[in-house]
Amino acid sequence: QVQLQESGPGLVKPSETLSLTCTVSGGSISSYYWSWIRQPPGKGLEWVGSVVYSGSTNYNSSLKSRVVISRDASKNQFSLKLTSVSAADTAVYYCARLLDGGHFDRWGQGTLVTVSS
Amino acid sequence: SYVLTQPPSVSVAPGQTAEIMCGGANIGSRTVHWYQQKPGQAPMVVVHDDRARPSGIPERFSGSNSGNTATLTISRVEAGDEADYYCHVWDSGTDHSVFGTGTKVTVL
Repeated sequence: QVQLQESGPGLVKPSETLSLTCTVSGGSISSYYWSWIRQPPGKGLEWVGSVVYSGSTNYNSSLKSRVVISRDASKNQFSLKLTSVSAADTAVYYCARLLDGGHFDRWGQGTLVTVSS
Repeated sequence: SYVLTQPPSVSVAPGQTAEIMCGGANIGSRTVHWYQQKPGQAPMVVVHDDRARPSGIPERFSGSNSGNTATLTISRVEAGDEADYYCHVWDSGTDHSVFGTGTKVTVL
């Protein structure tokens, strides 16, 4: 059974860089698409971006200038970096697997990242 | 960018049927997925590829998609169905995902 686990700081200062890692167990990240999705407190889901098994990436247009998603196949991990954060980036960040059919079938438990000085 | 619109809330009595709409331009030409999210939990897919149910999801959950509206139907609603529901489409041409605005289902 594939499992995903997010890790990283829970508090980031404004204007700094948010960095999270998703560790995948029970399956290889060399297949499928791997994504980050976020959810501000009390609000809906927002797709942040994905890294494909080939290493190519796709980002939400509204975040594209500030986001980088990368993968480390040797560690079976993929990562998110979001630069120049503000309070609007405060959210629960989920990592998830996107199947070929286009739906997210496996999710991490989510990690709350608060942007505050 | 593509926009998916859902009603903010739906209320339904136990044993009745809940219908959750997801509106989008010509959404019938796309493949729609539905997720259930309970408080403090990650979302979970309940219907994928318009109408397919993952293993373990009750037959009470069904989906349809046509024209400008996709619909998630929950039959014989139970108290445990109370949750937020999100529709989702993935554009294979751009590899971009879009989520609906979300609907809170309240069981009266």
